[in-house]
Amino acid sequence: EAGVVQSPRYKIIEKKQPVAFWCNPISGHNTLYWYRQNLGQGPELLIRYENEEAVDDSQLPKDRFSAERLKGVDSTLKIQPAELGDSAVYLCASSLGGAGYGYTFGSGTRLTVV
Amino acid sequence: AQRVTQPEKLLSVFKGAPVELKCNYSYSGSPELFWYVQYSRQRLQLLLRHISRESIKGFTADLNKGETSFHLKKPFAQEEDSAMYYCALRIKAAGNKLTFGGGTRVLVKP
Repeated sequence: EAGVVQSPRYKIIEKKQPVAFWCNPISGHNTLYWYRQNLGQGPELLIRYENEEAVDDSQLPKDRFSAERLKGVDSTLKIQPAELGDSAVYLCASSLGGAGYGYTFGSGTRLTVV
Repeated sequence: AQRVTQPEKLLSVFKGAPVELKCNYSYSGSPELFWYVQYSRQRLQLLLRHISRESIKGFTADLNKGETSFHLKKPFAQEEDSAMYYCALRIKAAGNKLTFGGGTRVLVKP
């Protein structure tokens, strides 16, 4: 099994440009999470999906960030326009929901805004 | 609000020496604690969780509710243990949201 797949692995963009990240969770995992990890810090939750519904987006900066999970499978996270402070690693994770054994994380997308 | 603190940014030990990574949490409910590890150029992965009370790769961690701690220990560190370690608190009432500490980098020297 491929696990949680994210693309691209790296992205360098100029400030004010848009950028999008893609995540394909483990098959059958109904819960999907997007986390942001700033340099030298632990990951912080941006948004959580239960199937196609965003049930917790309280930490998502909605003025410039958006996310979708059409059909409750793949998800995209978009930033428009990007700012220098958005430079970070964006992690996607999925789980079966409920108690489970914790998450399975993807490899992340490292975004550099210049 | 919940919070996880890992006071050490870097731990450097020699191979064969004991290593202990500190983790303290604050949460008013019943905590569920995890340790995640990220080896160089690999993804973040679960190392162990407190409810399993298991030893993984020689590591153990005991939840101390009185001291609100969940320290990770290994009696004899190996070079392959060099990695970033994150303590995390899971809140079921918040959809299994994980709150992470800032991480501790472990460097095991030969």
